[in-house]
Amino acid sequence: DVKVTQSSRYLVKRTGEKVFLECVQDMDHENMFWYRQDPGLGLRLIYFSYDVKMKEKGDIPEGYSVSREKKERFSLILESASTNQTSMYLCASSLSLLKNNSPLHFGNGTRLTVT
Amino acid sequence: GIQVEQSPPDLILQEGANSTLRCNFSDSVNNLQWFHQNPWGQLINLFYIPSGTKQNGRLSATTVATERYSLLYISSSQTTDSGVYFCALGFQKLVFGTGTRLLVSP
Repeated sequence: DVKVTQSSRYLVKRTGEKVFLECVQDMDHENMFWYRQDPGLGLRLIYFSYDVKMKEKGDIPEGYSVSREKKERFSLILESASTNQTSMYLCASSLSLLKNNSPLHFGNGTRLTVT
Repeated sequence: GIQVEQSPPDLILQEGANSTLRCNFSDSVNNLQWFHQNPWGQLINLFYIPSGTKQNGRLSATTVATERYSLLYISSSQTTDSGVYFCALGFQKLVFGTGTRLLVSP
């Protein structure tokens, strides 16, 4: 079974802090994704990566950056956390969306609260 | 961009009932998938189904790419089926529908 592990289930940070959300997958997947989920807004893509050191902006990249130094790890960075970044953050991975039969697998999510 | 619409938005069932959830989409059916988000927030991939029909236990899904819709069938529903069901599709990155919230009562 594919395992996508997010480092924290709950996180509380102060406004202005630099925040790192870590995600690790164990299936040698090429693609990794960061989504945030908010009531009434659904799942929105922040960034994704289709290879090591490669990254692409999603629909809402402002205020975020990402790092993918190793294939199995994809980090989301909030450079200066703000209260409007309070949300559920979901990491996901897939073999490759350019190939057939490439299901997306999610981690358990990190609920971030910025005070 | 791709538009993904799901219906109904909310559904309440008695345990044992059957249901059909629908996903309409506006673009090519690349990588169409169905997910279940349980009450604890975990998203589980149910089906990868860009075309045809698949079954997994009490769940089955059918995608008709030419008519741009997909259906998820839940038979003999159980309380553990409660949660939100999402469909998603896209080339290289997935776009999610707004989901169908299902509540199965005992």
